[in-house]
Amino acid sequence: DAGITQSPRYKITETGRQVTLMCHQTWSHSYMFWYRQDLGHGLRLIYYSAAADITDKGEVPDGYVVSRSKTENFPLTLESATRSQTSVYFCASSDERRLLVKGYTFGSGTRLTVV
Amino acid sequence: GEDVEQSLFLSVREGDSSVINCTYTDSSSTYLYWYKQEPGAGLQLLTYIFSNMDMKQDQRLTVLLNKKDKHLSLRIADTQTGDSAIYFCAELKASGGSYIPTFGRGTSLIVHP
Repeated sequence: DAGITQSPRYKITETGRQVTLMCHQTWSHSYMFWYRQDLGHGLRLIYYSAAADITDKGEVPDGYVVSRSKTENFPLTLESATRSQTSVYFCASSDERRLLVKGYTFGSGTRLTVV
Repeated sequence: GEDVEQSLFLSVREGDSSVINCTYTDSSSTYLYWYKQEPGAGLQLLTYIFSNMDMKQDQRLTVLLNKKDKHLSLRIADTQTGDSAIYFCAELKASGGSYIPTFGRGTSLIVHP
């Protein structure tokens, strides 16, 4: 049961660089999500996807791009990283049929530092 | 997390009960959740409650829902040091045909031996 994996676990990048965070799940869950977690803000939704090739903005999408060409992958790209994007990023997935009683399954997170 | 409010910290002694409170704003929310986040890990679903329930008990966990006041609480009986974590309340809202949870900011539970 590989579950949901995020890579890399830790990343340091420079301001202005493009960086992609990867998320892979093995359950064929239809829903996938990207959150960022910051002190004082809790979890904020960046983007989500209800199925392959369907993506929607969340609460804080500016500066981020997502794609979902395959059900199992949902990469998050910072096109030109800024220091304000230093955060811990969590990917999550859910089966639409089980979402209500099973909630989300979260990855272990990627800690991104932009210097 | 603007729609879901939680206190940021709670400190208890080992063996005591912990009560973590949450208020939400959307009366149409049908499911409410409690997630636990241990250090360096993602969130794990602890329990959920459906909006037509007042209470749900699961071993040491008791969830109370007051729909009139839009208040949700999580009681942990006989709190252990292993319960030290951040606890997130979340409400499930319908958004354009999808169901999207809104999370609170999390309550850090610190358990003293």
